[in-house]
Amino acid sequence: DVKVTQSSRYLVKRTGEKVFLECVQDMDHENMFWYRQDPGLGLRLIYFSYDVKMKEKGDIPEGYSVSREKKERFSLILESASTNQTSMYLCASSPATRTFYGYTFGSGTRLTVV
Amino acid sequence: AQTVTQSQPEMSVQEAETVTLSCTYDTSESDYYLFWYKQPPSRQMILVIRQEAYKQQNATENRFSVNFQKAAKSFSLKISDSQLGDAAMYFCAYRGGANSKLTFGKGITLSVRP
Repeated sequence: DVKVTQSSRYLVKRTGEKVFLECVQDMDHENMFWYRQDPGLGLRLIYFSYDVKMKEKGDIPEGYSVSREKKERFSLILESASTNQTSMYLCASSPATRTFYGYTFGSGTRLTVV
Repeated sequence: AQTVTQSQPEMSVQEAETVTLSCTYDTSESDYYLFWYKQPPSRQMILVIRQEAYKQQNATENRFSVNFQKAAKSFSLKISDSQLGDAAMYFCAYRGGANSKLTFGKGITLSVRP
């Protein structure tokens, strides 16, 4: 089974801290994605990557950056955490095949910024 | 930009009954995919069903089926013989032709009454 692993299930950080959310997939998928999930807003795309060292902005990239140095790992970085970044963060991956079968998701990181 | 609308934030169904979750989307593309994902309290997003727009036949997966109305841009999910384990948040999602990004609706919380 394809597995997408997010390093932390719960995280509490202080305002102004630099925060790293890590995501690793084990099925050699080319595409990786970071979403945030908020009540009443659904899932919103922050950043995505089609290949190593490649990244593209999603719908809400402000306040975030990403890093993809290896194919299996896609990191989301909050340069200076703020309380409005308190949210659930979901990582997902998919292969770059002609037929699209959807994403495989990690189990999420619930981040609280205090 | 494509949008996905789930207008009902919550629904409730009696165990063993049938429930339909509605979803509409807006797109100018003719080639695309539609999905329903389930997110139980464990937070793990699970793919429920997938529909390719060029296929006129509605997708079915055991107790789950869709009513895909391409002209109306409607994609509803029918759950038959509802079970307590069906209680979850359900997200409708869209992916355009060559694009790998999924656009999600805001989700609907389904509760199942014993």
